[in-house]
Amino acid sequence: AQKITQTQPGMFVQEKEAVTLDCTYDTSDPSYGLFWYKQPSSGEMIFLIYQGSYDQQNATEGRYSLNFQKARKSANLVISASQLGDSAMYFCAMREGPPGGYNKLIFGAGTRLAVHP
Amino acid sequence: NAGVTQTPKFRVLKTGQSMTLLCAQDMNHEYMYWYRQDPGMGLRLIHYSVGEGTTAKGEVPDGYNVSRLKKQNFLLGLESAAPSQTSVYFCASSSGGGGYNEQFFGPGTRLTVL
Repeated sequence: AQKITQTQPGMFVQEKEAVTLDCTYDTSDPSYGLFWYKQPSSGEMIFLIYQGSYDQQNATEGRYSLNFQKARKSANLVISASQLGDSAMYFCAMREGPPGGYNKLIFGAGTRLAVHP
Repeated sequence: NAGVTQTPKFRVLKTGQSMTLLCAQDMNHEYMYWYRQDPGMGLRLIHYSVGEGTTAKGEVPDGYNVSRLKKQNFLLGLESAAPSQTSVYFCASSSGGGGYNEQFFGPGTRLTVL
C-alpha cells in the first residue's frame, strides 16, 4: 500500500489566488513527521514546511501553511497569494518514528503546479 | 556556504560500465542519504549512512554500493550499470538534531545508461 499519496498529478492556479495540494499518508506509528518540498524546473529540492504528529497547531511558514487533519491522515499544503515563481513540482514526504536521529523519508509521486498570470 | 554538492552533474554510461557519484556536505551533518528520482515515482531511498564508516540499505539498494570513509563525503557506486539505472540521483544530509531535522539536498546528478 502507498504510504504517501498525492492524487493530483497536475494543478493550475491563477496568480494571486490560493491553491491546495493534497497529501494523504498511511502509518501505524504514533510519532511521525510530514514534510513538503518544492522542486523547481532547475531540479533542486527546497524544504518548505514541516508538521510533527504531536504538534497541536497547523504549521505555517510565510505563504505556506499545512492543513493537518490527523484523523483523516491528510496533510495538505496551502499556498496563499500564488506567484509565478511557485510553478514547480511539490512533494509530500513522511518520516516514521520520533524526530532526531536519521530520517528515512518516504516521498509521494508529486504534484506539478502551474501558476498562470 | 556550499551546503550539499554532487559530482558530476551529468553522465552518460554504456551498459556494463562502472562509475562513482560523489556527494560532499560542509554542514557537519551526521546523516547522509542517496535517492533516485524516476518520473511519476517521487524519490526513493537507495542507501543511507548514520555516521562515518557506517552504511545501510534503503528501499532500492540493488545494483548500488556506498561508502562513507569521511564524515563529509558519501559515495554511490554503480559496478555494472544497467539501463534501469537511468535516473536522477540526489544526495541529502541531515543533522539528526531536534526541530525539523529536515534533509538538505544536493543539486542532483542526471545519469543515462545506454
